[in-house]
Amino acid sequence: DGGITQSPKYLFRKEGQNVTLSCEQNLNHDAMYWYRQDPGQGLRLIYYSQIVNDFQKGDIAEGYSVSREKKESFPLTVTSAQKNPTAFYLCASSMRGQSGANVLTFGAGSRLTVL
Amino acid sequence: KQEVTQIPAALSVPEGENLVLNCSFTDSAIYNLQWFRQDPGKGLTSLLLIQSSQREQTSGRLNASLDKSSGRSTLYIAASQPGDSATYLCAVRRRQTGANNLFFGTGTRLTVIP
Repeated sequence: DGGITQSPKYLFRKEGQNVTLSCEQNLNHDAMYWYRQDPGQGLRLIYYSQIVNDFQKGDIAEGYSVSREKKESFPLTVTSAQKNPTAFYLCASSMRGQSGANVLTFGAGSRLTVL
Repeated sequence: KQEVTQIPAALSVPEGENLVLNCSFTDSAIYNLQWFRQDPGKGLTSLLLIQSSQREQTSGRLNASLDKSSGRSTLYIAASQPGDSATYLCAVRRRQTGANNLFFGTGTRLTVIP
């Protein structure tokens, strides 16, 4: 079955450490996205990528980095510069970029907790 | 900037009731509106997508309507079941280019009581 796989599901990090969240899709989607979800807030866009080797900052990119070396993969690194990284992180993909009628498909999420 | 609001934040209903969830948005220049379901600690599952030219979409016991002029969408759930308990989110895709043209509401947490 096609879908999006995020790993790990749970991750604990000490302050000052960088961590990388994995996102892999086998849907042949061009565009991939990273969102952050906090209690009582709507999803906020961190980064998105419409094509391999290209990505754009979203609303809250500070303290995060991404790469898009392969169409299937869009890993997110949470760096030590992110002051409040404890959150639920969601990866998504769609057939085309931000315009148009395409349905977003989400992964199951990764919960990051800073100790 | 597009603001998306979902009221109420939480709703409890007895099993078998029909119910309506509300989503309002401030800018009517949209491409489409999408309803999602999210179970606790899980990702989002797409339920229905309504294009800006459509008035409603149906899937099983779910019916979503869209009124662009008033900036409103509703998700109607017929004959609710305990398995419908989840958080329901709406997301509006705005007619603009750039890094972020998709705006999410904060969701309505639905509990269906057996």
